[in-house]
Amino acid sequence: GAVVSQHPSWVICKSGTSVKIECRSLDFQATTMFWYRQFPKQSLMLMATSNEGSKATYEQGVEKDKFLINHASLTLSTLTVTSAHPEDSSFYICSARKDRGTEAFFGQGTRLTVV
Amino acid sequence: DAKTTQPPSMDCAEGRAANLPCNHSTISGNEYVYWYRQIHSQGPQYIIHGLKNNETNEMASLIITEDRKSSTLILPHATLRDTAVYYCIVRTSYGKLTFGQGTILTVHP
Repeated sequence: GAVVSQHPSWVICKSGTSVKIECRSLDFQATTMFWYRQFPKQSLMLMATSNEGSKATYEQGVEKDKFLINHASLTLSTLTVTSAHPEDSSFYICSARKDRGTEAFFGQGTRLTVV
Repeated sequence: DAKTTQPPSMDCAEGRAANLPCNHSTISGNEYVYWYRQIHSQGPQYIIHGLKNNETNEMASLIITEDRKSSTLILPHATLRDTAVYYCIVRTSYGKLTFGQGTILTVHP
């Protein structure tokens, strides 16, 4: 399958600071990328969908000013958690797909811990 | 979005076939059934998908009933490394994947 890489794999940050997570499709061009969040012992929750060159579409209840998503190129999307708080500590996962008719591939996830 | 129902957990002996069921009675005619699995603390791994015909690849087989209201993922010879949470997902026409709770499959020696 196609390769999607996230960076960093884990990060610890202080409360009030911002953290940027990168998601790259390494061997294909991704027209759409998705960002998920997963709390312990829970399923993945879709946060937002981003298409290259346009604004992200956020799911209900997800604050777009807190979770900034940029999809500036066909191989890179970034999620910035602004003014992070301990309750933002979670496992963040991205996925990418080439076009609407194809399967999505997932990154390995980023473990964010806010202290 | 069409919902899916899966048993919360299943056990399987190593070397035997693992058959994981999924109900998706509200699926629409143009919606695909996707299966992913997630091993602890990793991103989900794509397994297989189908529309109405049965599908097989190097990982698994997918059997979809004729009315498309349910499907079964078959791992023909389960190994200990197949222990994971398996998610059955109906993909919307927009391509969104909405994850349910999945089935925790435990393969034991």
